[in-house]
Amino acid sequence: DAKTTQPNSMESNEEEPVHLPCNHSTISGTDYIHWYRQLPSQGPEYVIHGLTSNVNNRMASLAIAEDRKSSTLILHRATLRDAAVYYCILIMYSGGGADGLTFGKGTHLIIQP
Amino acid sequence: DTGVSQDPRHKITKRGQNVTFRCDPISEHNRLYWYRQTLGQGPEFLTYFQNEAQLEKSRLLSDRFSAERPKGSFSTLEIQRTEQGDSAMYLCASSLPGSEKLFFGSGTQLSVL
Repeated sequence: DAKTTQPNSMESNEEEPVHLPCNHSTISGTDYIHWYRQLPSQGPEYVIHGLTSNVNNRMASLAIAEDRKSSTLILHRATLRDAAVYYCILIMYSGGGADGLTFGKGTHLIIQP
Repeated sequence: DTGVSQDPRHKITKRGQNVTFRCDPISEHNRLYWYRQTLGQGPEFLTYFQNEAQLEKSRLLSDRFSAERPKGSFSTLEIQRTEQGDSAMYLCASSLPGSEKLFFGSGTQLSVL
């Protein structure tokens, strides 16, 4: 899987939007962009994924740059429960399912009340 | 709760002892993954199964580690002759056929004294 680069940590205030960036300049045409997050003392959980178009779900929005070399995970109104490590991962879809995800260190998101 | 279940949640052992962890995936998920996570790092892929077949093993999985999934349902991860460097969180995940979305358990925290 291609490499991603994320800031080590970010801080935001409760009830404000949060924009978590991810750079993936070596992304290939068949790589999907996935985001997972890991709350304290829990396993990672899926947040959102996309290929080219922006995506929205109940948890977050994913904005993908036109050249696909970067993306941004958007939490529209952060709460204290959103404090977690957020991982940006590239996955090449083979149709057979994931061979395994390659996690980096992610971004540690701190939410101030 | 029909999520991925891992047992035990915590394990403390002495160096040189053998330990075994169990993972029960979500029903109908044919792929099962094992990861290891140390403090401050993202999860590292160890191995994965498709049904009962072990399809890939990371070089991190030394010969002291063995994983099985004999009936294609639950899986066990055994570590023989534990070392202090084995202290980590061991995470299990599962996925549906053809899906790149992984569902993780809460992990087993191993401490080797």
